Amino acid sequence: QVQLVESGGGLVKPGGSLRLSCAASGFTLSDYYMTWIRQAPGKGLEWIAHISSSGVSIHYRDSVKGRFTISRDNARNSLYLQMDSLRAEDTATYFCAREMERLTPDAFDVWGQGTLVIVSS
Amino acid sequence: EIVMTQSPATLSVSPGERATLSCRASETVSSHLAWYQQKPGQAPRLLIYDASTRATGLPPRFSGSGSGTDFTLTISSLQSEDFAVYYCQQYNKWPLTFGGGTKVELK
Repeated sequence: QVQLVESGGGLVKPGGSLRLSCAASGFTLSDYYMTWIRQAPGKGLEWIAHISSSGVSIHYRDSVKGRFTISRDNARNSLYLQMDSLRAEDTATYFCAREMERLTPDAFDVWGQGTLVIVSS
Repeated sequence: EIVMTQSPATLSVSPGERATLSCRASETVSSHLAWYQQKPGQAPRLLIYDASTRATGLPPRFSGSGSGTDFTLTISSLQSEDFAVYYCQQYNKWPLTFGGGTKVELK
């Protein structure tokens, strides 16, 4: 079935780095734009990055620009989020999500279960 | 960025009752508006896209309406499995933004 599975979360010190992965199955990743969204503990949802199907077009929210890098490997059916210069306020569950194959941008029709990132000394 | 404001923050409803959730955008998003449901410990689930189109398999008791800046999600007869947090989200303009959520709780 169509599925996204995130991995790579954990505890990291402020200023540190972490790389999240999102493995896609049940569909062809190269056909879809993809997104990372996060949710701080007990808080709402926050979109952070988008990547086009080819990887050519990328968008970030301002608060992560220059620190986070979204990328993809369609041959491996995988999406990535490299997070550098991490701050306490980056503590959140990070979800990868598939955008519907219609508009740019579009709604998110498939979500992973999330991976928790804790930034703390 | 477009600010999405949801009201009320919490809605107390009895099973079988109607629930009406509101979402307002700080500028027009046309019909590029989605609604998601999130239960504790789970990922969000797409309910409605393009303001009024139900996602595949969604029961007809869920309906969405509105365009421009004002949107509504209606659950016509609340079932026990509908108690959750609901988020609206605009996909008209970068950065994509979500509302703060409405928690639908048991009255």
